[in-house]
Amino acid sequence: GAGVSQSPSNKVTEKGKDVELRCDPISGHTALYWYRQSLGQGLEFLIYFQGNSAPDKSGLPSDRFSAERTGGSVSTLTIQRTQQEDSAVYLCASSLGPVEGDGANVLTFGAGSRLTVL
Amino acid sequence: QKEVEQDPGPLSVPEGAIVSLNCTYSNSAFQYFMWYRQYSRKGPELLMYTYSSGNKEDGRFTAQVDKSSKYISLFIRDSQPSDSATYLCAIRNTGGFKTIFGAGTRLFVKA
Repeated sequence: GAGVSQSPSNKVTEKGKDVELRCDPISGHTALYWYRQSLGQGLEFLIYFQGNSAPDKSGLPSDRFSAERTGGSVSTLTIQRTQQEDSAVYLCASSLGPVEGDGANVLTFGAGSRLTVL
Repeated sequence: QKEVEQDPGPLSVPEGAIVSLNCTYSNSAFQYFMWYRQYSRKGPELLMYTYSSGNKEDGRFTAQVDKSSKYISLFIRDSQPSDSATYLCAIRNTGGFKTIFGAGTRLFVKA
């Protein structure tokens, strides 16, 4: 597609429920990232996918968070047993990949999924 | 200590002013320095990209990197109300994949 597409744009859920957030990256981008943005905070790295390599999950805050990427394209971020502190905007970004050079690995972000846990 | 520090503001200036936005970082291994702009309810978009030290200019925007003091700056000349947004600095290692972002500075340019 022309840009990174994320859905839903807004999600309100009750504490304890599971949620799934979807990201459709730019066609041809092999790298995909999930970040979390809380009010007044910077973007917190969550997870990184590169091609068919094992993802880097070092930023996931707890085992309630998981993500998968099917067929090297669409990714789903799942949060189980949501807590109020999970309320944030979840941003997905994609890039061409790890090739060095001017402009390489520049992230293109989606508009985000705003999650509110009541 | 955070890897990158940025004053969240808000910063309010009159139209036409010169704006200076700054970040400091802790690890001298970082080689790629970026500024992203984020409008309300939108995702961040790349504004400027610099490798290693020096200045880079693009229209009204100038990005500056001082590796000796681990300090990066973004200058906006002749600021416009349309520049009102959150500006996030970002850094990355050579060969690394993870881009680390500052907290973002909210800028308001008053007409």
